[in-house]
Amino acid sequence: AQSVAQPEDQVNVAEGNPLTVKCTYSVSGNPYLFWYVQYPNRGLQFLLKYITGDNLVKGSYGFEAEFNKSQTSFHLKKPSALVSDSALYFCAVRDWSTDKLIFGTGTRLQVFP
Amino acid sequence: SAVISQKPSRDICQRGTSLTIQCQVDSQVTMMFWYRQQPGQSLTLIATANQGSEATYESGFVIDKFPISRPNLTFSTLTVSNMSPEDSSIYLCSGTWDYGYTFGSGTRLTVV
Repeated sequence: AQSVAQPEDQVNVAEGNPLTVKCTYSVSGNPYLFWYVQYPNRGLQFLLKYITGDNLVKGSYGFEAEFNKSQTSFHLKKPSALVSDSALYFCAVRDWSTDKLIFGTGTRLQVFP
Repeated sequence: SAVISQKPSRDICQRGTSLTIQCQVDSQVTMMFWYRQQPGQSLTLIATANQGSEATYESGFVIDKFPISRPNLTFSTLTVSNMSPEDSSIYLCSGTWDYGYTFGSGTRLTVV
């Protein structure tokens, strides 16, 4: 069965510093991986996805993610964090047999001024 | 990409009553899903809404409690029946096409 794990409940980073939000996956076959962000009292917003191809995926709002097959990881990164990046971030994987998205537990990112 | 309009955005309901949540997609999607989310927590899949047939429910969710309809490729409803305070949550719908997924803005339900 497909699954993703987000090992950190919360990540704290100072504004202007690089940020990383971690995600590892477990799938049978090729993984289709996604990152979403959720701001308070808002729905989920798509950031980026990995389907195939280049291991470095660029997404919205300056975010990128690196797909690492040997480490089964798909970490979200941004070179310079903004206070406005503070939100709840979800990693997700597509289940091949049902097309449903399976979500990680989420990581709360707090960017301090 | 598809855009989903979900309504109501929030509601406060009396226990024992039912609430129907609607999702309208602006273009055809192949699959539609309904999720539940406690504030600040992850999303739990309730069911897959199948066009013209009964929804496929995840373990722990039943049709009598969460009846779902999907009469066409762009519209679906979720009803939360005989509500109790434990049903207070955020409910989101989602649609997928090719390799993309989009989400409605959510319905924040409070049962009193």
